[in-house]
Amino acid sequence: RKEVEQDPGPFNVPEGATVAFNCTYSNSASQSFFWYRQDCRKEPKLLMSVYSSGNEDGRFTAQLNRASQYISLLIRDSKLSDSATYLCVVNIRESNYQLIWGAGTKLIIKP
Amino acid sequence: DTGVSQDPRHKITKRGQNVTFRCDPISEHNRLYWYRQTLGQGPEFLTYFQNEAQLEKSRLLSDRFSAERPKGSFSTLEIQRTEQGDSAMYLCASSPMGVRDEKLFFGSGTQLSVL
Repeated sequence: RKEVEQDPGPFNVPEGATVAFNCTYSNSASQSFFWYRQDCRKEPKLLMSVYSSGNEDGRFTAQLNRASQYISLLIRDSKLSDSATYLCVVNIRESNYQLIWGAGTKLIIKP
Repeated sequence: DTGVSQDPRHKITKRGQNVTFRCDPISEHNRLYWYRQTLGQGPEFLTYFQNEAQLEKSRLLSDRFSAERPKGSFSTLEIQRTEQGDSAMYLCASSPMGVRDEKLFFGSGTQLSVL
Protein backbone atom coordinates (compact mmCIF):
# COMPACT_ATOMS: atom_id res chain seq x y z
CA ARG A 1 0.00 0.00 0.00
CA LYS A 2 1.31 3.43 -0.94
CA GLU A 3 1.91 5.88 1.90
CA VAL A 4 -0.19 8.55 0.19
CA GLU A 5 -2.88 7.55 -2.30
CA GLN A 6 -4.93 9.64 -4.67
CA ASP A 7 -7.41 8.86 -7.40
CA PRO A 8 -5.45 9.76 -10.56
CA GLY A 9 -8.60 10.87 -12.42
CA PRO A 10 -9.04 12.64 -14.69
CA PHE A 11 -12.05 14.32 -13.22
CA ASN A 12 -13.94 15.99 -16.09
CA VAL A 13 -16.12 18.70 -14.61
CA PRO A 14 -18.24 21.43 -16.26
CA GLU A 15 -17.33 25.01 -15.51
CA GLY A 16 -19.18 26.33 -12.48
CA ALA A 17 -19.65 22.95 -10.86
CA THR A 18 -18.35 21.84 -7.48
CA VAL A 19 -15.77 19.08 -7.36
CA ALA A 20 -14.13 17.27 -4.48
CA PHE A 21 -11.40 14.71 -4.18
CA ASN A 22 -9.75 12.87 -1.34
CA CYS A 23 -6.31 11.68 -0.44
CA THR A 24 -5.63 8.86 2.02
CA TYR A 25 -2.47 8.43 4.04
CA SER A 26 -1.21 5.37 5.87
CA ASN A 27 1.01 6.75 8.64
CA SER A 28 -1.03 7.75 11.67
CA ALA A 29 1.93 9.80 12.93
CA SER A 30 1.58 12.24 10.03
CA GLN A 31 1.66 15.80 11.29
CA SER A 32 1.21 18.25 8.46
CA PHE A 33 -0.83 18.12 5.29
CA PHE A 34 -0.86 20.18 2.14
CA TRP A 35 -2.42 20.50 -1.26
CA TYR A 36 -0.15 21.55 -4.10
CA ARG A 37 -1.24 22.41 -7.61
CA GLN A 38 0.83 21.47 -10.65
CA ASP A 39 0.12 22.68 -14.16
CA CYS A 40 1.27 20.62 -17.11
CA ARG A 41 5.09 20.68 -17.42
CA LYS A 42 5.37 23.21 -14.60
CA GLU A 43 6.62 23.01 -11.03
CA PRO A 44 4.29 22.29 -8.09
CA LYS A 45 2.98 25.32 -6.20
CA LEU A 46 1.45 25.35 -2.76
CA LEU A 47 -2.33 25.72 -2.93
CA MET A 48 -3.10 25.49 0.77
CA SER A 49 -2.14 23.85 4.02
CA VAL A 50 -4.72 21.62 5.69
CA TYR A 51 -5.46 22.33 9.33
CA SER A 52 -7.19 20.07 11.83
CA SER A 53 -10.22 22.32 12.05
CA GLY A 54 -10.51 22.58 8.27
CA ASN A 55 -9.78 25.75 6.36
CA GLU A 56 -11.09 27.73 3.47
CA ASP A 57 -9.43 30.01 0.95
CA GLY A 58 -11.90 31.58 -1.44
CA ARG A 59 -13.48 28.82 -3.52
CA PHE A 60 -11.22 26.16 -2.01
CA THR A 61 -11.93 24.22 1.17
CA ALA A 62 -9.58 21.68 2.71
CA GLN A 63 -10.47 19.24 5.46
CA LEU A 64 -8.64 16.66 7.54
CA ASN A 65 -10.14 13.49 8.95
CA ARG A 66 -7.58 11.96 11.28
CA ALA A 67 -9.80 9.08 12.35
CA SER A 68 -10.14 7.83 8.77
CA GLN A 69 -6.74 9.16 7.71
CA TYR A 70 -7.70 11.22 4.74
CA ILE A 71 -7.70 14.82 3.60
CA SER A 72 -10.04 16.37 1.09
CA LEU A 73 -10.12 19.32 -1.27
CA LEU A 74 -13.36 20.92 -2.39
CA ILE A 75 -13.48 23.42 -5.23
CA ARG A 76 -16.65 25.47 -5.67
CA ASP A 77 -17.73 27.38 -8.76
CA SER A 78 -14.91 25.80 -10.76
CA LYS A 79 -13.09 27.88 -13.37
CA LEU A 80 -11.32 26.80 -16.53
CA SER A 81 -8.09 27.94 -14.89
CA ASP A 82 -8.56 25.34 -12.13
CA SER A 83 -7.58 22.64 -14.64
CA ALA A 84 -4.41 21.12 -13.21
CA THR A 85 -3.09 18.20 -11.24
CA TYR A 86 -3.64 18.44 -7.50
CA LEU A 87 -0.97 16.81 -5.37
CA CYS A 88 -1.57 15.70 -1.80
CA VAL A 89 1.46 16.02 0.49
CA VAL A 90 1.99 14.62 3.96
CA ASN A 91 4.76 15.45 6.40
CA ILE A 92 5.80 12.46 8.48
CA ARG A 93 7.85 13.98 11.26
CA GLU A 94 9.49 10.65 12.01
CA SER A 95 11.37 11.10 8.76
CA ASN A 96 12.71 14.51 9.73
CA TYR A 97 11.56 16.88 7.02
CA GLN A 98 10.89 14.38 4.27
CA LEU A 99 7.53 15.05 2.68
CA ILE A 100 5.56 12.21 1.13
CA TRP A 101 3.82 13.11 -2.12
CA GLY A 102 0.81 11.53 -3.75
CA ALA A 103 0.83 10.93 -7.49
CA GLY A 104 -1.83 13.59 -8.00
CA THR A 105 -5.40 13.90 -9.20
CA LYS A 106 -5.91 15.39 -12.62
CA LEU A 107 -8.77 17.85 -12.94
CA ILE A 108 -10.13 19.08 -16.27
CA ILE A 109 -12.70 21.86 -16.25
CA LYS A 110 -14.76 21.96 -19.44
CA PRO A 111 -16.57 25.05 -20.76
CA ASP B 1 13.28 37.41 -10.07
CA THR B 2 13.68 36.32 -6.44
CA GLY B 3 12.30 32.80 -6.86
CA VAL B 4 14.14 29.49 -7.01
CA SER B 5 16.10 29.18 -10.23
CA GLN B 6 17.46 26.03 -11.86
CA ASP B 7 19.90 25.59 -14.68
CA PRO B 8 19.74 24.18 -17.30
CA ARG B 9 16.03 23.90 -18.10
CA HIS B 10 16.65 20.95 -20.39
CA LYS B 11 19.52 18.50 -20.72
CA ILE B 12 19.91 15.77 -23.29
CA THR B 13 22.78 13.39 -22.77
CA LYS B 14 24.00 10.01 -23.89
CA ARG B 15 23.96 7.04 -21.59
CA GLY B 16 27.16 6.83 -19.57
CA GLN B 17 27.85 10.56 -19.51
CA ASN B 18 27.95 12.67 -16.34
CA VAL B 19 25.59 15.59 -15.85
CA THR B 20 25.44 18.39 -13.29
CA PHE B 21 22.50 20.60 -12.43
CA ARG B 22 22.50 23.83 -10.47
CA CYS B 23 19.91 25.27 -8.12
CA ASP B 24 19.84 28.78 -6.65
CA PRO B 25 17.31 28.91 -3.82
CA ILE B 26 15.51 31.96 -2.49
CA SER B 27 18.29 33.86 -0.75
CA GLU B 28 16.97 33.80 2.82
CA HIS B 29 15.94 30.13 2.72
CA ASN B 30 18.10 27.79 4.76
CA ARG B 31 16.55 24.54 3.59
CA LEU B 32 17.09 23.12 0.14
CA TYR B 33 15.64 19.96 -1.38
CA TRP B 34 16.15 17.95 -4.52
CA TYR B 35 13.31 15.92 -5.96
CA ARG B 36 12.84 13.80 -9.06
CA GLN B 37 9.53 13.51 -10.88
CA THR B 38 8.44 11.27 -13.72
CA LEU B 39 5.26 11.56 -15.76
CA GLY B 40 2.15 10.66 -13.81
CA GLN B 41 3.94 10.52 -10.48
CA GLY B 42 4.43 12.90 -7.61
CA PRO B 43 7.87 14.29 -6.78
CA GLU B 44 10.22 11.71 -5.26
CA PHE B 45 12.53 12.94 -2.52
CA LEU B 46 16.26 12.72 -3.26
CA THR B 47 18.09 14.75 -0.65
CA TYR B 48 17.82 17.65 1.79
CA PHE B 49 20.23 20.35 3.01
CA GLN B 50 20.01 22.64 5.95
CA ASN B 51 22.48 25.38 5.18
CA GLU B 52 25.57 23.55 3.92
CA ALA B 53 24.86 20.30 5.77
CA GLN B 54 23.31 17.42 3.87
CA LEU B 55 20.98 16.05 6.53
CA GLU B 56 19.02 13.45 4.66
CA LYS B 57 19.44 11.34 1.57
CA SER B 58 16.92 8.95 0.09
CA ARG B 59 17.75 5.27 0.48
CA LEU B 60 16.62 4.88 -3.10
CA LEU B 61 19.42 7.13 -4.31
CA SER B 62 22.26 5.22 -5.88
CA ASP B 63 25.92 6.08 -5.41
CA ARG B 64 25.91 7.63 -8.87
CA PHE B 65 24.04 10.61 -7.44
CA SER B 66 25.77 13.26 -5.36
CA ALA B 67 24.70 16.69 -4.21
CA GLU B 68 26.55 19.57 -2.65
CA ARG B 69 25.75 22.92 -1.16
CA PRO B 70 29.23 24.18 -0.34
CA LYS B 71 28.49 27.62 1.07
CA GLY B 72 24.90 27.12 2.10
CA SER B 73 23.65 29.03 -0.90
CA PHE B 74 23.42 27.37 -4.35
CA SER B 75 23.44 23.61 -4.73
CA THR B 76 24.55 21.19 -7.42
CA LEU B 77 23.27 17.72 -8.20
CA GLU B 78 25.56 15.45 -10.18
CA ILE B 79 24.61 12.18 -11.82
CA GLN B 80 27.51 10.01 -12.93
CA ARG B 81 27.32 7.35 -15.63
CA THR B 82 23.76 8.26 -16.53
CA GLU B 83 21.26 5.54 -17.37
CA GLN B 84 18.05 5.75 -19.36
CA GLY B 85 16.11 5.28 -16.13
CA ASP B 86 17.51 8.58 -14.89
CA SER B 87 15.37 10.44 -17.42
CA ALA B 88 13.04 12.63 -15.37
CA MET B 89 12.35 16.16 -14.22
CA TYR B 90 14.74 17.16 -11.44
CA LEU B 91 13.17 19.71 -9.14
CA CYS B 92 14.85 21.88 -6.57
CA ALA B 93 12.89 23.49 -3.76
CA SER B 94 13.71 25.72 -0.82
CA SER B 95 12.00 26.75 2.36
CA PRO B 96 12.79 29.04 5.28
CA MET B 97 13.57 27.77 8.75
CA GLY B 98 11.40 28.47 11.69
CA VAL B 99 8.02 28.30 10.00
CA ARG B 100 5.27 26.11 11.33
CA ASP B 101 4.57 24.27 8.11
CA GLU B 102 6.94 22.89 5.56
CA LYS B 103 5.95 25.07 2.60
CA LEU B 104 8.19 24.51 -0.37
CA PHE B 105 9.00 26.91 -3.17
CA PHE B 106 10.01 25.07 -6.31
CA GLY B 107 12.18 26.00 -9.24
CA SER B 108 11.03 25.27 -12.79
CA GLY B 109 13.07 22.10 -12.87
CA THR B 110 15.65 20.54 -15.16
CA GLN B 111 14.24 18.03 -17.65
CA LEU B 112 16.84 15.31 -18.22
CA SER B 113 16.65 12.99 -21.20
CA VAL B 114 19.16 10.14 -21.36
CA LEU B 115 19.45 8.61 -24.83
